[in-house]
Amino acid sequence: ETGVTQTPRHLVMGMTNKKSLKCEQHLGHNAMYWYKQSAKKPLELMFVYSLEERVENNSVPSRFSPECPNSSHLFLHLHTLQPEDSALYLCASSQDQTGSYGYTFGSGTRLTVV
Amino acid sequence: GENVEQHPSTLSVQEGDSAVIKCTYSDSASNYFPWYKQELGKRPQLIIDIRSNVGEKKDQRIAVTLNKTAKHFSLHITETQPEDSAVYFCAAVRDTGRRALTFGSGTRLQVQP
Repeated sequence: ETGVTQTPRHLVMGMTNKKSLKCEQHLGHNAMYWYKQSAKKPLELMFVYSLEERVENNSVPSRFSPECPNSSHLFLHLHTLQPEDSALYLCASSQDQTGSYGYTFGSGTRLTVV
Repeated sequence: GENVEQHPSTLSVQEGDSAVIKCTYSDSASNYFPWYKQELGKRPQLIIDIRSNVGEKKDQRIAVTLNKTAKHFSLHITETQPEDSAVYFCAAVRDTGRRALTFGSGTRLQVQP
């Protein structure tokens, strides 16, 4: 276990459903991230939280809503998703928001929107 | 903002050969350059990184070189083994900035036994 845990590992949801992805880190890191990984595309940064404050939002549609209640937990709330949102969603943590001490990634949630 | 380009997108080598993956970056102020390896179905993991105050760094069979003038850095894997088969991502960031890592598009390395 690398210290960053994501649940669930797999999720299938309809376009009208509401679901949440959870990420938890016990590394004492101050920054947490959501990345989207689609086939044949680079890792796309979605959100960055530093000390529980959102510091970056990369033009992500409002159907994705992040929440960071404390420095150890990060959520991604999903609603009215589209089939093109199907992807691997990776959470990562780092000592600071630049990631210049390295990221620790979670195992990801494989999301399928039907 | 930073833009990172990575080449090639796929690379196939014979076991024992060397592999080289190249990345270029756009922000001359970027000063931290990590490489991540992602095996099939697994999470990306940091394998080596370099900061702008050095030109080369080695760790057993892997090495990274940095050319600040040309704004490019490369990953070198020698004596490749089948377990080196994975997708490799480069990234860049300014460690005094407010932005997170910018990743390249990835290189799928296949080592043929």
